[in-house]
Amino acid sequence: NSKVIQTPRYLVKGQGQKAKMRCIPEKGHPVVFWYQQNKNNEFKFLINFQNQEVLQQIDMTEKRFSAECPSNSPCSLEIQSSEAGDSALYLCASSRDWGGAHQNTLYFGAGTRLSVL
Amino acid sequence: GQGVEQPDNLMSVEGTFARVNCTYSTSGFNGLSWYQQREGHAPVFLSYVVLDGLKDSGHFSTFLSRSNGYSYLLLTELQIKDSASYLCAVSMPNYNVLYFGSGTKLTVEP
Repeated sequence: NSKVIQTPRYLVKGQGQKAKMRCIPEKGHPVVFWYQQNKNNEFKFLINFQNQEVLQQIDMTEKRFSAECPSNSPCSLEIQSSEAGDSALYLCASSRDWGGAHQNTLYFGAGTRLSVL
Repeated sequence: GQGVEQPDNLMSVEGTFARVNCTYSTSGFNGLSWYQQREGHAPVFLSYVVLDGLKDSGHFSTFLSRSNGYSYLLLTELQIKDSASYLCAVSMPNYNVLYFGSGTKLTVEP
């Protein structure tokens, strides 16, 4: 069973509302990723962190999406003004080692399924 | 996304084998991973390859050809419980990002 904990499992919001989801990475994993998996199962990378620092984020994330991984608190992903197209499964994943010659294994949480009505 | 392509569906029979194909055309390559995702569950890591050739891991084996931008995941002695989506993901140097294909849904029939 995954040790990456995501809450809530399901989130229902109206258009224009804020949507916030949280992720507790596996203990000892300093690297955290957020992905969006749409209804066609397409994965879209959103942002990743190493400890509290952003490694990379896509343009979409910079506009309406915000994310943080504060020390001693869960990581979070927030959509400031939800749109219908944001309806998807949001997956958080953590890793102990990343980059270079490392195996680059991600450990995923079960996801937060967001429905924007 | 980012040039990682997989067929949508694959069907096979219990006790036989299935080969899940993946092609990629990313600008750079730092290894390829395979994940299994059951309906309603998180993706689970299966295998990672960075060198050409076949890597035998028992029930799952993986093949990589970097010159052809091609990999496959081979499942042998299939069981019904192997029915799941299998995701191919390519990691790229200098970008710290793993790019996933949309997955191949494998259905194992009795």
